[in-house]
Amino acid sequence: SQELEQSPQSLIVQEGKNLTINCTSSKTLYGLYWYKQKYGEGLIFLMMLQKGGEEKSHEKITAKLDEKKQQSSLHITASQPSHAGIYLCGALLRRAQKLVFGQGTRLTINP
Amino acid sequence: GAVVSQHPSWVICKSGTSVKIECRSLDFQATTMFWYRQFPKQSLMLMATSNEGSKATYEQGVEKDKFLINHASLTLSTLTVTSAHPEDSSFYICSAKRGPSTDTQYFGPGTRLTVL
Repeated sequence: SQELEQSPQSLIVQEGKNLTINCTSSKTLYGLYWYKQKYGEGLIFLMMLQKGGEEKSHEKITAKLDEKKQQSSLHITASQPSHAGIYLCGALLRRAQKLVFGQGTRLTINP
Repeated sequence: GAVVSQHPSWVICKSGTSVKIECRSLDFQATTMFWYRQFPKQSLMLMATSNEGSKATYEQGVEKDKFLINHASLTLSTLTVTSAHPEDSSFYICSAKRGPSTDTQYFGPGTRLTVL
């Protein structure tokens, strides 16, 4: 969907390096979800952000929602091979509406 | 908690046959379940929203007679691809919400359908 843009589309980083993935909406976000998917598998829920300026962390992954609630970033610190996969952002553009997904960012971690 | 399963994980069928895919919420009751389709290297496309005990709401362009959805209980939704054709080959993923007060969706592992 053009309503939600992810960047970059693919990313190759060396193990141990930090990285950031961005998700930008053309509309105000009611809720922003980050999921991780391994090829041929389902989506694993990572985090949900709802309030402008909100920031959540889980292990080495931190997600932020900007004040204007139109962009979110996912930051991985000291990347590991287990972080490899496809990261998808999903957005609620209205309360109780369907999730709109970005096109995904394919992350490869080189040893 | 919040585990969603799908069965089968993969299926191969002949053109013209029907295939049923099950989606179960294992440790919670799901008032709403969603069915998505994903093409290789593409994002998820919502096909329909399924509410327990009522008819599914299909997205524009999705044929309801071809993709039959039944949400008979709070833990089970099924997607039946009727008279499958090779163009129906895809990765089908379901998700479930715990209840009306949350928007977080928990996803199943997906089902890969190949129609010969």
